[in-house]
Amino acid sequence: DVKVTQSSRYLVKRTGEKVFLECVQDMDHENMFWYRQDPGLGLRLIYFSYDVKMKEKGDIPEGYSVSREKKERFSLILESASTNQTSMYLCASSFEGGYGYTFGSGTRLTVV
Amino acid sequence: RKEVEQDPGPFNVPEGATVAFNCTYSNSASQSFFWYRQDCRKEPKLLMSVYSSGNEDGRFTAQLNRASQYISLLIRDSKLSDSATYLCVPLGRGSTLGRLYFGRGTQLTVWP
Repeated sequence: DVKVTQSSRYLVKRTGEKVFLECVQDMDHENMFWYRQDPGLGLRLIYFSYDVKMKEKGDIPEGYSVSREKKERFSLILESASTNQTSMYLCASSFEGGYGYTFGSGTRLTVV
Repeated sequence: RKEVEQDPGPFNVPEGATVAFNCTYSNSASQSFFWYRQDCRKEPKLLMSVYSSGNEDGRFTAQLNRASQYISLLIRDSKLSDSATYLCVPLGRGSTLGRLYFGRGTQLTVWP
């Protein structure tokens, strides 16, 4: 089975902290994605990557950056965490073309 | 116009009932579609893929109407374990190849 692993299940950070969310996949997928999910708003795409060192903005990239130095790892960075970034963050990966799309179990981030 | 629109529900049905969800999509070039289910506080998981006019898997039937740009999911003989949020997902084309567009989902509750 494809496995997408997110480093933390729950995280509490203070306003202004730099936060790193890590995601690792073990199936050699080309594509990786970061979403956030909030009640009533569904899944919203933050950033995605089609290849190592490549990144594309999604629908809500403001306040976030990403890093993909290795094919299997895609990191989401909150440069200066704010309370409105409290959310569930979901990483996903897929083969080129979008097939085999699989999610990690999510990181519930609370910024206080 | 949103990429995908779903009736958010909630749908509340008794065990054994048949229930159907509809979903409309805006990109006429979309060729592949997926239904995901998401349990409360969990990540979305693939339920069915739809590549042609439809697909059937046990109690679940997905149908695609390209002319009207809608996809439906029919669940027969509902079980308590079917209670979840169901997400209709077209696969992006062209410059967004590989990206999935998630609707807000339709919430289903099956009661005994």
